[in-house]
Amino acid sequence: SQQGEEDPQALSIQEGENATMNCSYKTSINNLQWYRQNSGRGLVHLILIRSNEREKHSGRLRVTLDTSKKSSSLLITASRAADTASYFCATDPTSGGSNYKLTFGKGTLLTVNP
Amino acid sequence: DAGVTQSPTHLIKTRGQQVTLRCSPKSGHDTVSWYQQALGQGPQFIFQYYEEEERQRGNFPDRFSGHQFPNYSSELNVNALLLGDSALYLCASRTRAGANVLTFGAGSRLTVL
Repeated sequence: SQQGEEDPQALSIQEGENATMNCSYKTSINNLQWYRQNSGRGLVHLILIRSNEREKHSGRLRVTLDTSKKSSSLLITASRAADTASYFCATDPTSGGSNYKLTFGKGTLLTVNP
Repeated sequence: DAGVTQSPTHLIKTRGQQVTLRCSPKSGHDTVSWYQQALGQGPQFIFQYYEEEERQRGNFPDRFSGHQFPNYSSELNVNALLLGDSALYLCASRTRAGANVLTFGAGSRLTVL
């Protein structure tokens, strides 16, 4: 079953604009991650935010986490055509044990038009 | 430094047949997970292997089985294929230590006719 639910399912913007994607989840987490997938290829890890963090930056990416609302957002600033891909949030419920199962959402398909 | 490699990249089978998919983890990684991704959906966890044993399993029937070898490489076997097994099968690896971040292979696209 899916743990995270991304919103919107699809997003189309112009190059240079910002793109915001949201993720909601159901259970307690140790961390939340965002991955990117180009057209049916493998997923690539983008950024990880721990449950005790509220915001994290990496280059043009900004991730926020609100554990009280069980939600996260991914902001891509100054988007480029090369950012066109599907973006997935993944939750890690590990709390120090050996459970390393990441649970993925259904993804947001981002299209950046030149 | 090679990442995760999977083979074959594409394959076509008919209902009732059996398939074996292979995965070599990234150098230095010892844990392998398999995911199934149907078209337009997110990856669904099948199972995870560490120290040559299945450590955790998702909601998949026994037709799905796997193996991990001493060199950490892994196989995914699916018996009695159904049309609904058509999907992209992704292998991901990681180390037991450190953050739980997965490195994915490019996947094996299985089509069941």
